[in-house]
Amino acid sequence: KAGVTQTPRYLIKTRGQQVTLSCSPISGHRSVSWYQQTPGQGLQFLFEYFSETQRNKGNFPGRFSGRQFSNSRSEMNVSTLELGDSALYLCASSLAGMLTNEKLFFGSGTQLSVL
Amino acid sequence: GEDVEQSLFLSVREGDSSVINCTYTDSSSTYLYWYKQEPGAGLQLLTYIFSNMDMKQDQRLTVLLNKKDKHLSLRIADTQTGDSAIYFCAENAGNTGKLIFGQGTTLQVKP
Repeated sequence: KAGVTQTPRYLIKTRGQQVTLSCSPISGHRSVSWYQQTPGQGLQFLFEYFSETQRNKGNFPGRFSGRQFSNSRSEMNVSTLELGDSALYLCASSLAGMLTNEKLFFGSGTQLSVL
Repeated sequence: GEDVEQSLFLSVREGDSSVINCTYTDSSSTYLYWYKQEPGAGLQLLTYIFSNMDMKQDQRLTVLLNKKDKHLSLRIADTQTGDSAIYFCAENAGNTGKLIFGQGTTLQVKP
């Protein structure tokens, strides 16, 4: 069974631009979560989607948004990029989400650099 | 509030045991997790423990949970150079659907 797939692996953008990251969960998983990892703040929860609905959201500004499609694939979008958005963005999937204390499986991440 | 604390660095010799410690604050967490991150990679789930358990063993890994002190530890027996990585402890904060991670402990294994 294929794992969680994130594309692209690396991305370089400039301030003010917007970016879209993609995540394909493990087959059969319906919950997708997104996390931001930075050296200073560590791993922080962005949001979780289940059956195309955002079920939970972290403390990030509205520039960070996401969506989930009917095939459970998810995208996250960051608009008006700032230097501080440079980070590794990790996507994770589970069968039904952490509300049921399930195991969360992570992708390799997208490394975003904002210049 | 939700907070998870870990020591930042641990160095051991190959063949020794490694013990990585973690403290958490949310007593309502029902599961606690250990993840491993190798350079340039995502997070790999190593093991997890249910909050009503004191100990869980899985091959070379032993997880100990002291719920009274909100202390979690991960013991790696016979540590190998391939175990060199960053180890994160995480709690499912109040069953909210998100994981709260510690800062990560960098494990260095010297040959």
